Amino acid sequence: ETGVTQTPRHLVMGMTNKKSLKCEQHLGHNAMYWYKQSAKKPLELMFVYNFKEQTENNSVPSRFSPECPNSSHLFLHLHTLQPEDSALYLCASSQDAGTYEQYFGPGTRLTVT
Amino acid sequence: AQKITQTQPGMFVQEKEAVTLDCTYDTSDPSYGLFWYKQPSSGEMIFLIYQGSYDQQNATEGRYSLNFQKARKSANLVISASQLGDSAMYFCAMRTTSGTYKYIFGTGTRLKVLA
Repeated sequence: ETGVTQTPRHLVMGMTNKKSLKCEQHLGHNAMYWYKQSAKKPLELMFVYNFKEQTENNSVPSRFSPECPNSSHLFLHLHTLQPEDSALYLCASSQDAGTYEQYFGPGTRLTVT
Repeated sequence: AQKITQTQPGMFVQEKEAVTLDCTYDTSDPSYGLFWYKQPSSGEMIFLIYQGSYDQQNATEGRYSLNFQKARKSANLVISASQLGDSAMYFCAMRTTSGTYKYIFGTGTRLKVLA
């Protein structure tokens, strides 16, 4: 596979469930990002990892927990989510966090019931 | 405060014509980057074009050009010779370099190209 892949593409979960979103990039990049895209709202940056180190946490609630085991993989662990957390979650990567151009995955459409 | 404003929620353009998508920004940082992304219905964000705050010339990438007016804090995207495949959401974004890396996106403009 090429580029940035995300699994699953769609996820429906209850508020008491625990699930994880996975992102993998095949571009040899060193920075990875999680974004949240809600309807009629700007894309919100959630987390930034640069060389596996978290460099940004935009006041994201603790029910979202990122994990970056290596430069190619990024996870977003979800637990006790709220219905307002329903959104499209996009993963992106770039050469490093100082590089402007980011490559995005297709996203995971999350619905919290 | 840093902000990106896209005032056009939706735009129509006839195939083969040019269209301008508006974007204004606000930042007090002297160094920043402006870029445009396209998001088709499939959901994937596609990088289109980038303009640095110190770049003297407007950026161009094929049919895309960025009309950068620093004094007016605007970074409009111009798409020439529109194609049906250009129908998508378009997002203007800014990244500043002071402190941590802050990426800020606008609310987007939905472009529909008519045959």
